[in-house]
Amino acid sequence: DTAVSQTPKYLVTQMGNDKSIKCEQNLGHDTMYWYKQDSKKFLKIMFSYNNKELIINETVPNRFSPKSPDKAHLNLHINSLELGDSAVYFCASRGLAWTGELFFGEGSRLTVL
Amino acid sequence: GESVGLHLPTLSVQEGDNSIINCAYSNSASDYFIWYKQESGKGPQFIIDIRSNMDKRQGQRVTVLLNKTVKHLSLQIAATQPGDSAVYFCAENVGSTLGRLYFGRGTQLTVWP
Repeated sequence: DTAVSQTPKYLVTQMGNDKSIKCEQNLGHDTMYWYKQDSKKFLKIMFSYNNKELIINETVPNRFSPKSPDKAHLNLHINSLELGDSAVYFCASRGLAWTGELFFGEGSRLTVL
Repeated sequence: GESVGLHLPTLSVQEGDNSIINCAYSNSASDYFIWYKQESGKGPQFIIDIRSNMDKRQGQRVTVLLNKTVKHLSLQIAATQPGDSAVYFCAENVGSTLGRLYFGRGTQLTVWP
């Protein structure tokens, strides 16, 4: 069983569209994250939820809206997509209170045309 | 090692040699650091972590060294194998919330047989 799974794996869409990426973890972790990786492999934190509560919100355009229906799921909705949103989006989870070890999903590659 | 340039730093080693990957971090208040490995098409995978009250930590075939004076981390991989070929990231945990990771730019390690 995949520990942290994201769908879709690939997403190609036009500028201006709205799209969502879903993430689920079956590790029983309380905390989940979204990270963005650009074409130069630079990884940047976007959001974090702990038990459905938003705890980290980096400087991200408000076109990006995370939603956590329960602690096993964290979705990312993006409105009015722009070319610069093209990236790989990684979901991650963390379970142990004393460590920052994150378990990452395989990524969702978003291409905006 | 860490680079301010546009290209991903690269390190090429022969199978069986030791590898050393360097990283500079920016925040002198950071007290927790992690190394991640990212294989092509996959999410980052935890390798080893170290807290600022230590200057060395060893894992299986890996050693992390921390020099707080010059804000420098290194990852040493002993007897490097072809399966070690990947991009390696150092990350510093920023602030008191664990998991708020600021990643370095990454180093592409290539192991030649």
